[in-house]
Amino acid sequence: DVVMTQSPLSLPVTLGQPASISCRSSQSLVYSNGNTYLNWFQQRPGQSPRRLIYKVSNRDSGVPDRFSGSGSGTDFTLKISRVEAEDVGIYYCMQGTYWPWTFGQGTKVEV
Amino acid sequence: EVQLVESGGGLVQPGGSLRLSCAASGFTFSASWMSWVRRAPGKGLEGVANIKQDGSEMYYVDSVKGRFTISRDNAKNSLYLQMDSLRAEDTAVYYCARAADRSVDYWGQGTQVTVSS
Repeated sequence: DVVMTQSPLSLPVTLGQPASISCRSSQSLVYSNGNTYLNWFQQRPGQSPRRLIYKVSNRDSGVPDRFSGSGSGTDFTLKISRVEAEDVGIYYCMQGTYWPWTFGQGTKVEV
Repeated sequence: EVQLVESGGGLVQPGGSLRLSCAASGFTFSASWMSWVRRAPGKGLEGVANIKQDGSEMYYVDSVKGRFTISRDNAKNSLYLQMDSLRAEDTAVYYCARAADRSVDYWGQGTQVTVSS
């Protein structure tokens, strides 16, 4: 199975400041069609996960533009340009290139 | 509005069985791959099973192969997960999710499964 490794696992943040989460995969996530199926999810306390980013850098509808995704191959990053209080929660990267789809361990973002 | 509502979770003894259901609405269910994803206590998310639109293809994570069966009824807009020979390590919140383009774009609220004697 593809192992997804996130860092850091805990991320203390200051409101209004930027934040960044790294995700690395144990093998390249480039699929045979040239797409890279790397996603980012946010899970707020007591809620279901919500997808923020798909295929590395595409923001889902309704996701604030302070969230951005980047990367290629095996190295990916989720950035929050200015953290807001509602951004508190656990963030997961997930690869969909290979089955079984696998998730990172999660990064807990707290103020 | 896409809605996914799970039911069927509960407390079961090791070796027992449970059947989870997911009622879908707000999208064309019969045109969508569907997934079950779980989150065990203190752990991250894990993809459990996927099923193709017409039910002709199913995929399972190794840890549940031979014990869990994913199925669907497109006439009822419903997804199921039959879980047999349950183990303590299957204890988790189970989410029904819509799969699209090798991703998961909508999630249900989850149903708790606890395997304990």
